[in-house]
Amino acid sequence: KQEVTQIPAALSVPEGENLVLNCSFTDSAIYNLQWFRQDPGKGLTSLLLIQSSQREQTSGRLNASLDKSSGRSTLYIAASQPGDSATYLCAVSSTSGTYKYIFGTGTRLKVLA
Amino acid sequence: GAVVSQHPSWVICKSGTSVKIECRSLDFQATTMFWYRQFPKQSLMLMATSNEGSKATYEQGVEKDKFLINHASLTLSTLTVTSAHPEDSSFYICSARDTAGRLGMAGELFFGEGSRLTVL
Repeated sequence: KQEVTQIPAALSVPEGENLVLNCSFTDSAIYNLQWFRQDPGKGLTSLLLIQSSQREQTSGRLNASLDKSSGRSTLYIAASQPGDSATYLCAVSSTSGTYKYIFGTGTRLKVLA
Repeated sequence: GAVVSQHPSWVICKSGTSVKIECRSLDFQATTMFWYRQFPKQSLMLMATSNEGSKATYEQGVEKDKFLINHASLTLSTLTVTSAHPEDSSFYICSARDTAGRLGMAGELFFGEGSRLTVL
């Protein structure tokens, strides 16, 4: 059974810092890995999707990498801003053909002005 | 991007009543949709896979008689919480994939905005 863990569970940093969020998964037979952002009481905002054949994806200040063999992904946020404060979730889908996503435990980020 | 709409976005009901939540894919067809539940300060937990024209597949520990799922068309899945109790209060989120594969990347799921259920 796939298990997805995110470290750290919570993070508080001053504005301007570069930071790394970690996601690990137990079954390397994944189809996709996707990073989401969730603001309090709101739905999910998709940030980056990495297909299993890819190593990384970039969007603006965000960069996500994938090392399937070691079961790890990292989300790098450059020059963090208070507006980046949110919960970040990673999710993986399996190769079983169902495409269902299993979500990680989440990292609550707070960027201080 | 592809749009998945949920309705209602929030609902308050009395204990013992049933509540129906709708999930619609607005610009694509989805033979498969997924229902998730999220308790406060926790992550999303997959409840079930909704299959168009057939029975839903429930995850271990999810009561199928309590959480009724109907996927009667290629653009609509409904989740009915029957005889709701306060412990069913949660944020319910659905997701769907473009079956034709024209929208998004291969295997990408699109998520609704969620429905917050409060049972008094």
